[in-house]
Amino acid sequence: EAGVVQSPRYKIIEKKQPVAFWCNPISGHNTLYWYLQNLGQGPELLIRYENEEAVDDSQLPKDRFSAERLKGVDSTLKIQPAELGDSAVYLCASSLDLRGGGEQFFGPGTRLTVL
Amino acid sequence: SQQGEEDPQALSIQEGENATMNCSYKTSINNLQWYRQNSGRGLVHLILIRSNEREKHSGRLRVTLDTSKKSSSLLITASRAADTASYFCATVLNTGTASKLTFGTGTRLQVTL
Repeated sequence: EAGVVQSPRYKIIEKKQPVAFWCNPISGHNTLYWYLQNLGQGPELLIRYENEEAVDDSQLPKDRFSAERLKGVDSTLKIQPAELGDSAVYLCASSLDLRGGGEQFFGPGTRLTVL
Repeated sequence: SQQGEEDPQALSIQEGENATMNCSYKTSINNLQWYRQNSGRGLVHLILIRSNEREKHSGRLRVTLDTSKKSSSLLITASRAADTASYFCATVLNTGTASKLTFGTGTRLQVTL
């Protein structure tokens, strides 16, 4: 069974440019998460979806970040415009548990470098 | 913001030795989970312990939970070079209609031959 798929794995852009990350969760997983992980730190939740609905986006910087999960399957996270401080690894995860409290399955992440 | 703090931040041991990592957290939890992250990879779930459990085992892993002290420990017995990774604890808080997973800062484990 395929795990969580993310693309691209690496992205280098100049500041003020837009960037988008894509995630395909494990088949059948209703809950999808986007996390940001800075170097040497644990992941921090940006947004959580239950099916198509964003149920927790309190940590998403909405002035420049946006996300969508059309049809409740794959998801896209966008940053526009990117800033130097956005350099980090962006992780996508999914789970069966609609309440968000169970085991989560992570993708390999997208490492973003903003120059 | 990080809910949990792992201790130590870094740990270096020789193959065959046991490794113990500790996690402290601040608020009441529903469950606590441990994850492993190899360099440049995503996180892998290791074990989940519920708030009404005190100890749990999975292979070479042993996790304890002390809710009165708001702390947990992860013991890896007979460590192997392949155990080299970062280990994170993550707490699940019950916040009404939704549960939230919050990660700690991690312990970097190095197992040498």
